[in-house]
Parts: sequence; C-alpha cells; structure tokens
Amino acid sequence: GQQLNQSPQSMFIQEGEEVSMNCTSSSIFNTWLWYKQDPGEGPVLLIALYKAGELTSNGRLTAQFGITRKDSFLNISASIPSDVGIYFCAGRIIQGAQKLVFGQGTRLTINP
Amino acid sequence: EAGVAQSPRYKIIEKRQSVAFWCNPISGHATLYWYQQILGQGPKLLIQFQNNGVVDDSQLPKDRFSAERLKGVDSTLKIQPAKLEDSAVYLCASGGGSSYNEQFFGPGTRLTVL
Repeated sequence: GQQLNQSPQSMFIQEGEEVSMNCTSSSIFNTWLWYKQDPGEGPVLLIALYKAGELTSNGRLTAQFGITRKDSFLNISASIPSDVGIYFCAGRIIQGAQKLVFGQGTRLTINP
Repeated sequence: EAGVAQSPRYKIIEKRQSVAFWCNPISGHATLYWYQQILGQGPKLLIQFQNNGVVDDSQLPKDRFSAERLKGVDSTLKIQPAKLEDSAVYLCASGGGSSYNEQFFGPGTRLTVL
C-alpha cells in the first residue's frame, strides 16, 4: 500500500528556533495536508496544498507541495511553546477512492 | 460551526467484549471517515462513507469490525469481539461542501482492551 515517510520522528529545539519537517513517498499525490495533534485530541488541519509547486503560509507556518508530487515540507518560524505537539503530513492518492494516507508524525518538543 | 462530535471519549473493556463508538459529523458534510490511531503512529483509514454508502473499507477487519451510517449523517463503529491489539484511539473525520478535499477530525475515542 501507499506509504509516507515523515522525518524527523522527533525534534528538540529552543524557543524561537525555526523548525523544518518533510514527507516523501514513492506514490504521486494530488493533495497534501498538514495536521497538528495535541495530547488527547484529534488532528487539527494547519495547511492544505492542492497544486504541485504550491507554497502556502498560515501565520508562522509555511508548507510546500513538491514539484514531483511525491513530497511536501512544513516550516515553522520563530517557534513558541504552544507549537509543541505531533505534526502529521497526509497525502491524498490520485486514483481510486482518494483516501488520505498519513505519515508517522514528527513530535516537536520546545525548551523555553 | 460545530465540529465533529464523538462519544464516548474513553472506553475500557476486556478482550472478547463488544464496544461501539458514535460520530456526528460537521453539518452538511457528505463524507465521513473512521480512522484507527495506534500509539506512536499516524491515523489509518478503516472505512469511508459517502452519504450512507461505503466508498472504501479495504482496511476494515470485517471479521470483527463493522460500521454503518444509515441516514447519511451519524455513524457508528462497532468491534465485536475486541482483541488486545484493538487498543487505540478511534478518530472520526468528515469532509464535504467547499471543504471536500479536506478532512476535519473529532477528538477521538481512546479504547483500552484488557
């Protein structure tokens, strides 16, 4: 089945630093979504990308849909304590029922 | 607008018992999804409904899992009988209308099977 490789698995950074994470796959996707999940809650949508090469920002978050349609990255600038959580990428495959496939997540820890 | 509602939030059962989870999607969303999220992993799709029809249930363990969305709104996911490896968070998500390409998740039900 389709797989997404998300890296890094975890990050430990200082408050104010920039964060970068990415997802890659051998499959082609027509949509990339980035979610954040806090403990005990469901994932919350951060950014949605629909076109290859698209670069979209949401406040301090920036995400890009890779030109090959097989990858995406998420950047967080000037990290703050509330950025702590698990970030998931999700890609929608082109064929079939177009289900979402999720990466394994990146756990972000911030030292104040 | 109100988000996706799920209940219960937590459930503890013994193996071989049965359990059911309920989901109320965002109003007007035609598509409803059930995901299983095992600790430390990303959500895995179990079943996708479009209105009251099943679009994809290829990863649903049909010998013990069942789901229905009889009137195209609320949905119920059942496990009968439960196994230890079913311990996970069960997430419901919905999408549709102008957000048809996106999925919005509920808070999930954390199931512990002892």
